[in-house]
Amino acid sequence: DAGVIQSPRHEVTEMGQEVTLRCKPISGHNSLFWYRQTMMRGLELLIYFNNNVPIDDSGMPEDRFSAKMPNASFSTLKIQPSEPRDSAVYFCASTMGGGTGYTFGSGTRLTVV
Amino acid sequence: GENVEQHPSTLSVQEGDSAVIKCTYSDSASNYFPWYKQELGKRPQLIIDIRSNVGEKKDQRIAVTLNKTAKHFSLHITETQPEDSAVYFCAALQGSNDYKLSFGAGTTVTVRA
Repeated sequence: DAGVIQSPRHEVTEMGQEVTLRCKPISGHNSLFWYRQTMMRGLELLIYFNNNVPIDDSGMPEDRFSAKMPNASFSTLKIQPSEPRDSAVYFCASTMGGGTGYTFGSGTRLTVV
Repeated sequence: GENVEQHPSTLSVQEGDSAVIKCTYSDSASNYFPWYKQELGKRPQLIIDIRSNVGEKKDQRIAVTLNKTAKHFSLHITETQPEDSAVYFCAALQGSNDYKLSFGAGTTVTVRA
């Protein structure tokens, strides 16, 4: 298996632009998580899905952030409009649950200028 | 929900010495405790995990211990090497949730040559 695949690896955008991050979980994993990592705040859980259904989005910072999982093999995290404070590394992770660990993707390093 | 605290936040050790990182959790129903290692610029990767039905697990130079009564668990790295330098995260699976891990804030380990 190729693991959790995220794209793009790096994204530089101007403030006010829309940004879409993409994630393909490991086949057979039924839970998917979006995390944001910064030096100041560490690893923050933004949202997670079970069987493509959003379960907990309490970590989504504000309405500018939205996430979807239209099928078991694809998820997106969208920021519209983007702001400089959104600059961070965004990780996607998946698991098959039942007390097993997460597998993280390589992350997307987002820079909003 | 689950609250995981991790100490210390930074740890500097001489090559060859041991390193110990400690975590406490709040949910007595938590039953799965993984540890992740994140090298600079890389993704967090699972290095060892322990379930609540055992007190200790070892894998070469790393070991994890669990004290369910006291609700704490620890990571032990023996004979540290420069490649052990990284950020280490502990986590606990919420007892009522088969999918959601709560992460500690991380420990930055530096191994001095």
